[in-house]
Amino acid sequence: DQQVKQNSPSLSVQEGRISILNCDYTNSMFDYFLWYKKYPAEGPTFLISISSIKDKNEDGRFTVFLNKSAKHLSLHIVPSQPGDSAVYFCAARYNFNKFYFGSGTKLNVKP
Amino acid sequence: DVKVTQSSRYLVKRTGEKVFLECVQDMDHENMFWYRQDPGLGLRLIYFSYDVKMKEKGDIPEGYSVSREKKERFSLILESASTNQTSMYLCASRDGTSPGEQYFGPGTRLTVT
Repeated sequence: DQQVKQNSPSLSVQEGRISILNCDYTNSMFDYFLWYKKYPAEGPTFLISISSIKDKNEDGRFTVFLNKSAKHLSLHIVPSQPGDSAVYFCAARYNFNKFYFGSGTKLNVKP
Repeated sequence: DVKVTQSSRYLVKRTGEKVFLECVQDMDHENMFWYRQDPGLGLRLIYFSYDVKMKEKGDIPEGYSVSREKKERFSLILESASTNQTSMYLCASRDGTSPGEQYFGPGTRLTVT
């Protein structure tokens, strides 16, 4: 059973608008959460992370929100750009070196 | 700039063959990982290593083994390849001081026929 779930396989957004990608998890022992971005034929690249003791982390156009009571994580991209079109994976850390990934959301930002 | 390289981008093997997937990182990271990526399942951890000759099982170690003889190199071994091991294999490394950021290689698409 997957401990980290991304229930939306795809998302389409107009350039300049906000993209919101969602992630749910089941294990309350996860202590760190990350988002990765993946282009075709490349490995995932790290985007942004958040500790379980925080509820928000911002880096430029990217903001990650953590709602521990709901076991829910979201990534906001504002404004969205065509170059943001990629597959986004959320991941959660357990016990220092065990990482659990969601199945990914394919974001398409239309010009 | 951290670089993680994998020995092959594409590999085709026959059922029952022994398969080696090699991964090399150039940033002196203590921790290295092997994942497989399948549609609808995301990335699943097969094995990881936190030091030379040290290894721990991930969530799906069955049918796989690993070797870490040098700090920069982490090998994934399929002792007897089966068709259900057809997948994309991703190697990653991580600095022990970072809370979670991993650096991934480009992946090896393995097909077992």
